[in-house]
Amino acid sequence: KAGVTQTPRYLIKTRGQQVTLSCSPISGHRSVSWYQQTPGQGLQFLFEYFSETQRNKGNFPGRFSGRQFSNSRSEMNVSTLELGDSALYLCASRTDLYDTQYFGPGTRLTVL
Amino acid sequence: GQNIDQPTEMTATEGAIVQINCTYQTSGFNGLFWYQQHAGEAPTFLSYNVLDGLEEKGRFSSFLSRSKGYSYLLLKELQMKDSASYLCAVRDSNYQLIWGAGTKLIIKP
Repeated sequence: KAGVTQTPRYLIKTRGQQVTLSCSPISGHRSVSWYQQTPGQGLQFLFEYFSETQRNKGNFPGRFSGRQFSNSRSEMNVSTLELGDSALYLCASRTDLYDTQYFGPGTRLTVL
Repeated sequence: GQNIDQPTEMTATEGAIVQINCTYQTSGFNGLFWYQQHAGEAPTFLSYNVLDGLEEKGRFSSFLSRSKGYSYLLLKELQMKDSASYLCAVRDSNYQLIWGAGTKLIIKP
């Protein structure tokens, strides 16, 4: 079974721009979670989607948004990028709430 | 609030044994996970504990005490490739994963 895939793997943007990241979960997984990770920081939870509905949301500003499609693929959007948004963005999927999360390789975003 | 504590960094010698501790205070408990993350890569799942006791998987073992809010990951016969960060995460009453900041393990020859 293919693992979690994320596109693009690397991205360079400038302040003020917006960006959309994509995540395709493992086949059969209905839950997708997004995390931000910066050097020296643990995983900061952004949000989780389950069957196209947002279940939980972390403490991030409204510039961070997401959505999930009927095929469980998910996108994350960041508007009006700031330098502090430079990070590794990780997506993780699980079959349901009782399952283990499996991570994709991440998208490394650099904001200049 | 919810809190998970792990040491920031540990150093061990190749071939030795190391124990990485994790203490937690969360809203409910539905299992504890350990993940390994090499620099620049995504976390990979190592172990899961939901009942008290020791779970062994090859060179890695994980222990849980729910009454003490405590877990540890035990790595035996350390190899250089074990140099990585080890993340502890607790699934709370809402089935949300709460993450520790991770322990960076440095293995020396």
